[in-house]
This record gives sequence, C-alpha cells and structure tokens, in this order.
Amino acid sequence: DSGVTQTPKHLITATGQRVTLRCSPRSGDLSVYWYQQSLDQGLQFLIQYYNGEERAKGNILERFSAQQFPDLHSELNLSSLELGDSALYFCASSPGLSNEQFFGPGTRLTVL
Amino acid sequence: QKEVEQDPGPLSVPEGAIVSLNCTYSNSAFQYFMWYRQYSRKGPELLMYTYSSGNKEDGRFTAQVDKSSKYISLFIRDSQPSDSATYLCAPREVSGGYNKLIFGAGTRLAVHP
Repeated sequence: DSGVTQTPKHLITATGQRVTLRCSPRSGDLSVYWYQQSLDQGLQFLIQYYNGEERAKGNILERFSAQQFPDLHSELNLSSLELGDSALYFCASSPGLSNEQFFGPGTRLTVL
Repeated sequence: QKEVEQDPGPLSVPEGAIVSLNCTYSNSAFQYFMWYRQYSRKGPELLMYTYSSGNKEDGRFTAQVDKSSKYISLFIRDSQPSDSATYLCAPREVSGGYNKLIFGAGTRLAVHP
C-alpha cells in the first residue's frame, strides 16, 4: 500500500456526462500528479500540482481540469465524456518537486 | 517516434531464470530512470531507480543505465512466479520545478513454475 488513496474505484457513466475523481496524497507529500492509462496509449502524464499550484501539464485535454486544495487532496474533473475517455486514471504523490512518485490504486472509468 | 520504447512482450520464462528487460529513450534531458512494477488491475509500484549512468542493485534486481547509448535495463535474478507482472521503465525529466515520468509501454512478464 503506497499511502495514496483514490476514490471511487470504479465509475460507469454515459457519453456527455461529467465526473470528478478524487485523490489523497501520502501524508506530508506536497506534489500530486495525474496519469491516464489506456490500452492504446499506455500510461500518460496529465498534470502536476505542487502545494496548490499547477506546475506542469502533459497530454491533458481541454475537457479535463484539475485542482489541488489547501488540505492537499486533488480532484480531476472530466467533462463532455467520450467513449475514448474510458481508461484507468492514476494519481501519484511525492514529497517535493523532484522526488520519486508513488501511485495510488487508480479509478477505472467506463464511458458507455 | 516515441520518447521511450519498450518491447511489450509478453515474456514467458521458467522459475529461476534470469530475466532481462530493456528500454531505449531519445531525450537527453532525462536524469532519473525509474522502474515500476504493475500487477493486474493495480497501481504501478516503484521498484527501484538510478540516477544518470551506472548500475544499482537491490536484492534480486539490478538496474543499469547507459546514457551514451540511451539504453535502460532491468535484470531479475532467480525469477519467481510472484514476479509475474508488467514492468514499466519510466525516465523522469526534472526541470524548472516540474517532475514528469515518461512511461514505456510496459513489458508483460510471466514466470511459470
């Protein structure tokens, strides 16, 4: 158990809908990262937050947004969902800006 | 061309075999080279990492990086059925306050008794 928690574990929704994925980092970790894992694209970096501020963006669609709250938990919002958004979404955390990242168990999103 | 290339396998070996897993990369800015293990339907678990070129050993696992040829390797000695998982190489780019992992496709390993 890495100490990173993610909710919900599974999410099934319809095209066009909006969902929110939640992540709590390990105790003391200030950085939170979001990754998407799909069969065709593998694990891809989406976005990094450090102590509430966005620090880096990867292949994140405009329909997706994230934020990190003062208590350091983070949420990933996915809107206008499409079938192709079905994937595993992982959150990771690290103590600072440049340390190794520890992953949560993931949220499996299915868009029907 | 992808930044990190990794043969997806699958790789099937008998118990006790030495396993060699490899990646190549193209970005010279990578400084840290991580190996993650992912069991089915679980999150990636950090196995070990090296900084720059060289070797690092941890029990039955050895990680090697050759920056001159942009080649990353993970060796598993005396492989066990419990090692059956997907192994992901992930060079890490650390610059200007960001910290990005660029994952390879992952190699699926099956160790049979």
